Amino acid sequence: ILNVEQSPQSLHVQEGDSTNFTCSFPSSNFYALHWYRWETAKSPEALFVMTLNGDEKKKGRISATLNTKEGYSYLYIKGSQPEDSATYLCAWSNFGNEKLTFGTGTRLTIIP
Amino acid sequence: GAGVSQSPRYKVAKRGQDVALRCDPISGHVSLFWYQQALGQGPEFLTYFQNEAQLDKSGLPSDRFFAERPEGSVSTLKIQRTQQEDSAVYLCASRTGYNSPLHFGNGTRLTVT
Repeated sequence: ILNVEQSPQSLHVQEGDSTNFTCSFPSSNFYALHWYRWETAKSPEALFVMTLNGDEKKKGRISATLNTKEGYSYLYIKGSQPEDSATYLCAWSNFGNEKLTFGTGTRLTIIP
Repeated sequence: GAGVSQSPRYKVAKRGQDVALRCDPISGHVSLFWYQQALGQGPEFLTYFQNEAQLDKSGLPSDRFFAERPEGSVSTLKIQRTQQEDSAVYLCASRTGYNSPLHFGNGTRLTVT
């Protein structure tokens, strides 16, 4: 992996169902992995900043895991609600550079 | 509290015009970033500052793009002789330090006609 890739590009989920999506990133020289939620007409909002291999973070119904050795992170949403509809972005940085490289995002739509 | 403020929210420019986009970060945030987001893409890095120092400008697409942050707070992104391919949302973000999350503004949507 030479870039940050997210899959799937878009997802429709029934309200109440749980879902997850993936962020893949370069595993060499890893420093940090960020997750952001971007709702329409708003600015991106930070969910998690993760730095340690094996890290798991949780915020309400949303959680994330990190595997820096193989270069992936999963974001999980439990019991999806309409307000979870948004684009979810991940961003990666490496040592020695503050620059965050973003993926193209996963666009999640919750069907009531 | 006050978040990151960007102005204008929308800008329409005729091809060849110069534009200036402003970003007012959260007070005390050392690092400031500019990103460009084209339709259907993720934010693409343009440049970042640590206080007034521009430490990385590798993402600026051409020498028509110029950014400054002269006093280490407000930043301006200037685009000279705008082209249609410059049409995008320009996002500014700031943060306190290396392990901190980015705080984004609402962006400036630039349309070049």
